[in-house]
Amino acid sequence: DQQVKQNSPSLSVQEGRISILNCDYTNSMFDYFLWYKKYPAEGPTFLISISSIKDKNEDGRFTVFLNKSAKHLSLHIVPSQPGDSAVYFCAASVDQAGTALIFGKGTTLSVSS
Amino acid sequence: KAGVTQTPRYLIKTRGQQVTLSCSPISGHRSVSWYQQTPGQGLQFLFEYFSETQRNKGNFPGRFSGRQFSNSRSEMNVSTLELGDSALYLCASSLLRTGSTSTDTQYFGPGTRLTVL
Repeated sequence: DQQVKQNSPSLSVQEGRISILNCDYTNSMFDYFLWYKKYPAEGPTFLISISSIKDKNEDGRFTVFLNKSAKHLSLHIVPSQPGDSAVYFCAASVDQAGTALIFGKGTTLSVSS
Repeated sequence: KAGVTQTPRYLIKTRGQQVTLSCSPISGHRSVSWYQQTPGQGLQFLFEYFSETQRNKGNFPGRFSGRQFSNSRSEMNVSTLELGDSALYLCASSLLRTGSTSTDTQYFGPGTRLTVL
């Protein structure tokens, strides 16, 4: 059973617009959530994270929102740039150390200029 | 600072063989985690090692095993290979500060692409 779900396999956005990537989870024990970006032939790269005690975390163009009651989180990228085109993975951890991550299957973001 | 390195980058094996993959973490990082990525299942956690001890384990059969050395380098072994073991195997390291109340970021290597024929 998939504990972390990214229901949109792909998303296409125009340069300069907002990209919103969504993620749902089922395990209420998850304490920490992360977003990773992955380019082909490379390992995932950490983007941004949020603790379950917060509902928003911002880092430059990236903002993650967490709605615990809905078991939903989203990643907003504003403004989107062509270099943002990659696969985005949502991940969750029950362990505060965050070393045993449960990943979603990813959303492929394409930003066109 | 050098990133996480994994060797080899590509590997072709046949069913029934065994394979050993290697991971060198970022200098100073003490935790090493292994993940399997396949098109069908996505990224799945295999196991994590810290101070030469397995600290966490995912839901994989006993054919998958690992170990960590005193210099934090880690190896994972897959015995009796099956076609379904064809995947990208990713290693990630983190500092894992003792007594820290915050979560350390995991840094991933480029992966080893294993093909089982």
